[in-house]
Amino acid sequence: EAGVTQFPSHSVIEKGQTVTLRCDPISGHDNLYWYRRVMGKEIKFLLHFVKESKQDESGMPNNRFLAERTGGTYSTLKVQPAELEDSGVYFCASSLGGTVPYEQYFGPGTRLTVT
Amino acid sequence: QQQVKQSPQSLIVQKGGIPIINCAYENTAFDYFPWYQQFPGKGPALLIAIRPDVSEKKEGRFTISFNKSAKQFSLHIMDSQPGDSATYFCAASPYNNNDMRFGAGTRLTVKP
Repeated sequence: EAGVTQFPSHSVIEKGQTVTLRCDPISGHDNLYWYRRVMGKEIKFLLHFVKESKQDESGMPNNRFLAERTGGTYSTLKVQPAELEDSGVYFCASSLGGTVPYEQYFGPGTRLTVT
Repeated sequence: QQQVKQSPQSLIVQKGGIPIINCAYENTAFDYFPWYQQFPGKGPALLIAIRPDVSEKKEGRFTISFNKSAKQFSLHIMDSQPGDSATYFCAASPYNNNDMRFGAGTRLTVKP
């Protein structure tokens, strides 16, 4: 079974540009999460989808970030316009639905560098 | 505000040593505490997890110790091997949802 996949693996953009990150969760996983890790810091929660609905987006830094999960399958995270502080590794994770803490399966991450 | 504090930031041990990584939390709503292991170029992967109804959990060479009153938990790796060299993250979440809060990570190096 395929794991969580993320695209691209690396992205280098200039300040002010737009970047869209994509995450394909494990098939059948209702829960999808986005996280970000700035170098040396904690993996910070950004938001949580249950199917196509945003369950919790309290971690989104500001309105330059837009996440979507149309149809409850793959998800995109768009940063527009990108700022220098947006650099970091963006992880996506997915888990089964339900009320117990199912294991979260992480993708390999997208390393975003804003210059 | 960092909800889970992890230490040390990096750790070097000799093969066979017992590295210990510590984490502390404040939010009493947390009651699920996993540890994740991350190798370079890969995403974090669940290693072992504990709930506060037990004080210790072992899986192979990995042990979590949990102190509910102190709101602290730690990971011990017995008979560490060079293949254990990785970054380890502690995390915490409320049991009724999966919104995880992570520590800053510990880069472990096990020397041959």
